Amino acid sequence: QKEVEQDPGPLSVPEGAIVSLNCTYSNSAFQYFMWYRQYSRKGPELLMYTYSSGNKEDGRFTAQVDKSSKYISLFIRDSQPSDSATYLCAMSESGTYKYIFGTGTRLKVLA
Amino acid sequence: GAGVSQSPSNKVTEKGKDVELRCDPISGHTALYWYRQSLGQGLEFLIYFQGNSAPDKSGLPSDRFSAERTGGSVSTLTIQRTQQEDSAVYLCASSLVGEGFEQYFGPGTRLTVT
Repeated sequence: QKEVEQDPGPLSVPEGAIVSLNCTYSNSAFQYFMWYRQYSRKGPELLMYTYSSGNKEDGRFTAQVDKSSKYISLFIRDSQPSDSATYLCAMSESGTYKYIFGTGTRLKVLA
Repeated sequence: GAGVSQSPSNKVTEKGKDVELRCDPISGHTALYWYRQSLGQGLEFLIYFQGNSAPDKSGLPSDRFSAERTGGSVSTLTIQRTQQEDSAVYLCASSLVGEGFEQYFGPGTRLTVT
């Protein structure tokens, strides 16, 4: 079993839909949770960054962490075609520089 | 300011040849990471450099892989006697030092071994 599991998709939604992307993990020591967006043939770029549990909102994006369930989510409201990309979750333990990445979910928002 | 840059952007090589991949981190970032991204796989950690400390090489898949970082800035990842399974995108990232600092990624080098 991988430390971090992420549905690879692809996930296709119509423009304006609410998108939910998820990751599950097995290591209860993870404290930092990140979401990266990666466009085709580009490097990943950091979208959201959360420490420990709770919610964080940034514009149309909301990140949620449920440590009791070992489950994190990224919600995208009013999705746009420009949101079409691969979304990678990443996690790390406190006191370490190593990120563990999910495989990424490919999202396509249809105009 | 300038982001992380990598060169070449694409590299096609024959099986058995050696290749060198270059990474220029963000100025002032003393931590540097190399990852490998294969189709359908997540980012696989390869190696970590931090200042003058000994690098963490725990992710290097075989002794054909090596990396160095000169002067605390530019890094080179070398793959000797390339194999077809080495075909992947090699990503470099840099960050400030300390836990919780975000990693900023370069665009990657797409390596194809024929």
